[in-house]
Amino acid sequence: NAGVMQNPRHLVRRRGQEARLRCSPMKGHSHVYWYRQLPEEGLKFMVYLQKENIIDESGMPKERFSAEFPKEGPSILRIQQVVRGDSAAYFCASSLSQGPLGETQYFGPGTRLLVL
Amino acid sequence: DQQVKQNSPSLSVQEGRISILNCDYTNSMFDYFLWYKKYPAEGPTFLISISSIKDKNEDGRFTVFLNKSAKHLSLHIVPSQPGDSAVYFCAASARAGNMLTFGGGTRLMVKP
Repeated sequence: NAGVMQNPRHLVRRRGQEARLRCSPMKGHSHVYWYRQLPEEGLKFMVYLQKENIIDESGMPKERFSAEFPKEGPSILRIQQVVRGDSAAYFCASSLSQGPLGETQYFGPGTRLLVL
Repeated sequence: DQQVKQNSPSLSVQEGRISILNCDYTNSMFDYFLWYKKYPAEGPTFLISISSIKDKNEDGRFTVFLNKSAKHLSLHIVPSQPGDSAVYFCAASARAGNMLTFGGGTRLMVKP
C-alpha cells in the first residue's frame, strides 16, 4: 500500500494525558500536512512540514500542540494535556512538491481522537 | 471568516442524472482548486483539480468548472451513480502557501 498511512486509527485519552498521532507520507513525498476536522465541520489546516522543518504552523493552537517530521521516521502530531475540545478527526496529507504540478495533497485515513 | 463556502449542505439526485455541486470563494489569491470525496470514517479522496489558468477540467464522469470573475467553481458528475453518495469537499490553495482551505462539504445522496 503506497498511500498515506496514519496510526492509530482510533485513540482514546483521558483529560490531561498526551496524544501522539503518527503519519507516514506516500513514497517519494517530502511534504506533510496536518488537518483537523471537528464534528459536522470541514477540515481545518494545522501545520505544514518538510523533513526536519516546520514551514507553516499558522493553524496550530499556540499551546499544547506540536508537530515534527524527522529525517527518519514518520511525522508526529503531539497533543499534551488533552481536553475534551481536542476530540476530533486528525488527517495527515502528503504531496510530492509545492509547485503547480505537485500541489495535490493525498490524505490518510485519519486518527479519531476521543478525550474522555 | 469562511474563505471557501459550500452553501448546500446536502443534495439528492436520481441515479443516472447529473449532480452539480457548487463552491464559492472570497480570496482572490487562490489559484488552485480541488474536489475531494469523503466516506464516513475514511480520509478525503482526491477527485479532480483545476488551475486558475483554466476554466474547465474533465476526468471521466467528473468535470470541474471555474468562473474566476464570479469566484465560483462547480463539480458536475454525470451520470450519477449510487456509489457516488458521499460528502464532497471543495478546497483551494494559493501559490504563496500550500495550505488547503476547505469548504464545509456537501452531502450527496444518489438514489437508485
